[in-house]
Amino acid sequence: GAGVSQTPSNKVTEKGKYVELRCDPISGHTALYWYRQSLGQGPEFLIYFQGTGAADDSGLPNDRFFAVRPEGSVSTLKIQRTERGDSAVYLCASSSDRGLIYEQYFGPGTRLTVT
Amino acid sequence: AQTVTQSQPEMSVQEAETVTLSCTYDTSESNYYLFWYKQPPSRQMILVIRQEAYKQQNATENRFSVNFQKAAKSFSLKISDSQLGDTAMYFCAFMPAPGGDMRFGAGTRLTVKP
Repeated sequence: GAGVSQTPSNKVTEKGKYVELRCDPISGHTALYWYRQSLGQGPEFLIYFQGTGAADDSGLPNDRFFAVRPEGSVSTLKIQRTERGDSAVYLCASSSDRGLIYEQYFGPGTRLTVT
Repeated sequence: AQTVTQSQPEMSVQEAETVTLSCTYDTSESNYYLFWYKQPPSRQMILVIRQEAYKQQNATENRFSVNFQKAAKSFSLKISDSQLGDTAMYFCAFMPAPGGDMRFGAGTRLTVKP
């Protein structure tokens, strides 16, 4: 079975533009997480979905960041009016609600560069 | 708020030798989970080992083992018989509840030298 996939793998955008980052979780995984990893740092939690709803969005830095998961599978992280400080690797992870529910499987990330 | 601290930004070890990576955390929770993840240059985060706080026995996975000291809030990773493929960033992570978000340390860059 396929793992977590993220597209695009790299995204370069100009300051002020809007971007969308996509995450395809492992089939059947009900929980989905977004993290942001700045250069030289550990991943930082952004938002967590259980099914279609955001169970915890306390990590979103401001209202320019928004994420959706309309059908409980694919999720899109949306960033409006991008700033140079948004440049980072955005990681997605998913986990199952059966068995080892606390094990998160990560995708390869999307490297976002804002110029 | 839970915090995770990795005090060793970089470490190196000779191939076939043993190395220990340190991690401390701060929490008021009594039940939680701890993890070590490996991140090679490909960026893919790979779970190395996990520990449930309610278990006293230290987790082991082949060459990887942990020293979990709950009272001291310490969770170190020991890699035995180091291999060149172990070269990567290693992150310690804390999860307060099953299915919740994880808090990561800043990472330790490990280099295994031939």
